[in-house]
Amino acid sequence: DVKVTQSSRYLVKRTGEKVFLECVQDMDHENMFWYRQDPGLGLRLIYFSYDVKMKEKGDIPEGYSVSREKKERFSLILESASTNQTSMYLCASSSPGTGVNSPLHFGNGTRLTVT
Amino acid sequence: GDSVTQMEGPVTLSEEAFLTINCTYTATGYPSLFWYVQYPGEGLQLLLKATKADDKGSNKGFEATYRKETTSFHLEKGSVQVSDSAVYFCALSNSGGSNYKLTFGKGTLLTVNP
Repeated sequence: DVKVTQSSRYLVKRTGEKVFLECVQDMDHENMFWYRQDPGLGLRLIYFSYDVKMKEKGDIPEGYSVSREKKERFSLILESASTNQTSMYLCASSSPGTGVNSPLHFGNGTRLTVT
Repeated sequence: GDSVTQMEGPVTLSEEAFLTINCTYTATGYPSLFWYVQYPGEGLQLLLKATKADDKGSNKGFEATYRKETTSFHLEKGSVQVSDSAVYFCALSNSGGSNYKLTFGKGTLLTVNP
């Protein structure tokens, strides 16, 4: 079974702090994704990566950056955390391609609170 | 751009009731369609999928049929259980170009009471 592990379940940070959210997958997947989940808004894609050192902006990249130095690890970085970044963050991975050959496998999420 | 619209919740049912969660989509080309489920405290997991018109996806007693003429992919289950309480997300993946990502609906919270 694919395992996507997010390093923290809960995080509390202060406004202006630099925040790192880490995600590791164990199935050698090329594609990795960061989403945020908010009530009434569903899942919104922040960034995704289809290969090591490759990244593309999703729908809401502002205020975030990412790093993919190794295939199994995809980090989300909040350069200067703000209260409107309080949310549930979900990491996912998939094998190459689109559609039914590459369903997303999700981690359990990191609930980030910025005070 | 691509979009997914699903019925707003929350939906509250008694055990053994019939479930329908409506989902419609807007997309260019020929998307693949998915239902994902998120149980309390967990990430999303794939529930079922369909790749072309008239395909029926099924899993754990849930079914959904890809209807191209109505651009719909409604989720149904004949008899829900308390353990089906979760948030359900409809999603599409567009096979055109190099689009690797899924577009999700906003999710529907289902609560099943004993």
